Amino acid sequence: NAGVTQTPKFQVLKTGQSMTLQCAQDMNHNSMYWYRQDPGMGLRLIYYSASEGTTDKGEVPNGYNVSRLNKREFSLRLESAAPSQTSVYFCASSDPGQWSTILYFGPGTRLTVT
Amino acid sequence: GIQVEQSPPDLILQEGANSTLRCNFSDSVNNLQWFHQNPWGQLINLFYIPSGTKQNGRLSATTVATERYSLLYISSSQTTDSGVYFCAVGNDYKLSFGAGTTVTVRA
Repeated sequence: NAGVTQTPKFQVLKTGQSMTLQCAQDMNHNSMYWYRQDPGMGLRLIYYSASEGTTDKGEVPNGYNVSRLNKREFSLRLESAAPSQTSVYFCASSDPGQWSTILYFGPGTRLTVT
Repeated sequence: GIQVEQSPPDLILQEGANSTLRCNFSDSVNNLQWFHQNPWGQLINLFYIPSGTKQNGRLSATTVATERYSLLYISSSQTTDSGVYFCAVGNDYKLSFGAGTTVTVRA
C-alpha cells in the first residue's frame, strides 16, 4: 500500500494564480483532511471530509476550496494565491472507529507564493 | 478552540539519555495523538492515547485526562529520535496541534 500520496511535492506560484493540490489514499479510510504547517505554529486544519460526500471547514478555511471526488481522493484548491498561503500542506486520512482515529499523513506539498 | 501547550520547546540530548515531553490542553477531549516529524518532514503517528498509558519500544505515553495533560517518554535516546514531536488534541475529527518540541539527539 502506498498510504497517503500527494502531488505535487513542490510548487511555486505567482500572486493571483490558481492551483489544485491532489491527495489520494488507498487504505479505504472514510475521513480525509487538509492541514497547513507554518514555522513555529504546528499544523492547522483547513478543511476536512468526515465521509464521502461531506466537507466541513476547519480552523483556517479562508482562501481555499475542497472537493471530495470519491472515497479515495480529496483535493484542495487555491483560487487566487496570496503570499500568506506560502506553507507546507499536508493531507491526512483516518478511519474513525470505536477504538482509534489515528491520522495517517502524506509527505506534504511545499508551496511558495511570490 | 482548544489551546495546546507543549514543553519544552527545544531539547538537546546526548545519545542514551532519557527525556519527558509534556502536553497541556485547555478542555476535555476524546482524541489525543502524539506524532513525530522527522528531519525530512514526514509525520508519523506514535500514539493514540486519549487516556491511560501505552508503550511502544523505547517510547511510552501517559494521558491524565482529568488533569488535561499528556506526557511522552523517550528512553535510551538514539540519533534517529531527532525531529519535532507534536501533540494533537480534540474531539472527533477536529484536532488542534501544539507548536511542538524540537528534539536533537547528539551522538
